[in-house]
Amino acid sequence: QLHLQESGPGLVKPSETLSLTCTVSGGSISDSSYHWGWVRQPPGKGLEWIGSVYYTGSTYYNPSLKSRVTISVDTSRNQFSLKVTSVTAADTAVYYCARGYRSSYLIDYWGQGTLVTVSS
Amino acid sequence: SHELTQPPSVSVSPGQTARILCSGDILPQQYAYWYQHKPGQAPVLVIHKDTERPSGIPERFSGSSSGTTVTLTISGVQAEDEADYYCQSADSSGTYVFGTGTKVIVL
Repeated sequence: QLHLQESGPGLVKPSETLSLTCTVSGGSISDSSYHWGWVRQPPGKGLEWIGSVYYTGSTYYNPSLKSRVTISVDTSRNQFSLKVTSVTAADTAVYYCARGYRSSYLIDYWGQGTLVTVSS
Repeated sequence: SHELTQPPSVSVSPGQTARILCSGDILPQQYAYWYQHKPGQAPVLVIHKDTERPSGIPERFSGSSSGTTVTLTISGVQAEDEADYYCQSADSSGTYVFGTGTKVIVL
């Protein structure tokens, strides 16, 4: 059974960089069938796709966030990571890591989510 | 970038039918997926490829598609179905998009 677990600071100061890591267990991040991505949900708002990475390092980003987001993969550790620069209160959200099928874009596994608050 | 539009909320009495529409110009070209999202939990896939139900999802959940609109139907709504529901699709470049979300309220 695949398991995804987010980790990282729960509090980030405005203008700083938000960094999260997703550790994948029960499966290989190098499986060519899947993308590995991040989705967030600000309080009281809907789900927002942030971006995805393929095991080769190819990335796909939400155009509205592209200038501030970097997603990377570490196949040796079976992990992938998210960095969001110059954060503001609008980046406060529950952040989920997830697995998507490369061929169909279905998201079949999600982490439990981690709340990141941007505040001084 | 593509957008998927859903009604903010749908109210339904127990045992009745809830229909949630999702509209977007990408839908004639790409499959849609539906997720149920309850507070404090990860989203759960309830419909994939427009109309298919994953194993373990009750038969009361069904999906349909017509042109630029896909529909999630919950027949015989139960109290446990109260949740937020999101449609999701993607373009061929690998850019995923979520719908605006619909809160199903069971009266």
